[in-house]
Amino acid sequence: QKEVEQNSGPLSVPEGAIASLNCTYSDRGSQSFFWYRQYSGKSPELIMFIYSNGDKEDGRFTAQLNKASQYVSLLIRDSQPSDSATYLCAVNGPSGATNKLIFGTGTLLAVQP
Amino acid sequence: DAGVIQSPRHEVTEMGQEVTLRCKPISGHNSLFWYRQTMMRGLELLIYFNNNVPIDDSGMPEDRFSAKMPNASFSTLKIQPSEPRDSAVYFCASRRGAETQYFGPGTRLLVL
Repeated sequence: QKEVEQNSGPLSVPEGAIASLNCTYSDRGSQSFFWYRQYSGKSPELIMFIYSNGDKEDGRFTAQLNKASQYVSLLIRDSQPSDSATYLCAVNGPSGATNKLIFGTGTLLAVQP
Repeated sequence: DAGVIQSPRHEVTEMGQEVTLRCKPISGHNSLFWYRQTMMRGLELLIYFNNNVPIDDSGMPEDRFSAKMPNASFSTLKIQPSEPRDSAVYFCASRRGAETQYFGPGTRLLVL
């Protein structure tokens, strides 16, 4: 089992719809969870982080964390074509190595105009 | 404020040659990370430094890879000898304390 798993996609949604991106992780000791966006040919950029169970909202983005289920998600409301990118889920760990981020392979999101 | 700077941005070399990738972290950042990204394996952490000291190099694939950080403003990742399977995008990232990691633009390496 991979440490951080994501569906590679592509996830295709129409403009204006809600895009839902999902991520599961294997280390129950992980405490910090991150979502990065990576445009083609560019470097990853942080868009959200979450530490506590529940929802965290920032503009059109909502991160959701369920530690019991070892599940993190990212919702993008009112999706725009400019949101089309690969979204990388990252988790700190393994336990005891909190400086390290373990990345999933990413989900490609395509927002159709 | 300049971000993380990497050079070269693109490198094409022949198998067996030595390759040196360079990184200048953001001023004031005390942790530096080297990553490799491929389609098959995604973004993998190779090594990271804290206050110029290598903390975890468990991601370095083999002895052909080495990394140094002689001072707070410079790091190198060296591959000697290079092989075609080393072809990837290599990212450097830095951060201050427990704050966000900021990535450089990456170096696209192609080994023929």
